[in-house]
Amino acid sequence: NAGVTQTPKFRILKIGQSMTLQCAQDMNHNYMYWYRQDPGMGLKLIYYSVGAGITDKGEVPNGYNVSRSTTEDFPLRLELAAPSQTSVYFCASSYGGGPPGELFFGEGSRLTVL
Amino acid sequence: GENVEQHPSTLSVQEGDSAVIKCTYSDSASNYFPWYKQELGKRPQLIIDIRSNVGEKKDQRIAVTLNKTAKHFSLHITETQPEDSAVYFCAASGSYQLTFGKGTKLSVIP
Repeated sequence: NAGVTQTPKFRILKIGQSMTLQCAQDMNHNYMYWYRQDPGMGLKLIYYSVGAGITDKGEVPNGYNVSRSTTEDFPLRLELAAPSQTSVYFCASSYGGGPPGELFFGEGSRLTVL
Repeated sequence: GENVEQHPSTLSVQEGDSAVIKCTYSDSASNYFPWYKQELGKRPQLIIDIRSNVGEKKDQRIAVTLNKTAKHFSLHITETQPEDSAVYFCAASGSYQLTFGKGTKLSVIP
C-alpha cells in the first residue's frame, strides 16, 4: 500500500495564479482532510470529507476549494494565489465512523507564493 | 468550535529525564484525544491516543492522562532518548474534525 500520496511536493506560484494539489489514498478510508502547517502554528484544518460527494469547511477555508468524486481522491484547489497561502499542505485520511481515529498523513506539499 | 491550547512551546530535557506536555481543550463534547509526533521535514505520525471513557493509557515509555472535568490531558515521556527529539502535537475531536494544538518542540540533550 502506498498510503496517502500527495503531488506535487514543491511548487512556486506567482500571485494570482491557480493550482490544484492532488491527494490520493489506497486504504479505502472514508474520511479525508486537508491541513495547512505554518511555522509555530500547528496544523489548521482547511476542508474535510466524510465520504464521496460530501465535503465541509474547516477552520481556514477561504481561498480554497475541494471536491470528492471518488473515495480515493481529494484534490485541493487554490484560486488566485496570495502570499498568505505560502505554507506546507498536508492531506490525511482516516477510516472514520465517528471521531476520526488515526490520521494517516501524506508527505506534504510545500507551496510558496511570490 | 474546539480550541486546543498546548504548553510549553519548547522543552529541553537531559537524556534519561522525563518530559511532560500539557493540553487543554474547550469543547466538553470532545471525546477523542490523540498525540502526534513530527520529526523535522517529515509528516506527523500518531504515537498514542485516548478516548474519554479512559483516564490513562500507557505504551512503553509514553503515557497519556485525561481529566475530563478539568478539560485537560497530558503526554508523559519517560527515560527520554535523543530520538525522542521532535515536535509533538496534541489534538481533540468530538465529531469528524480533529483540532490540533500549536505544538511543543522537544529537544533531548545527550
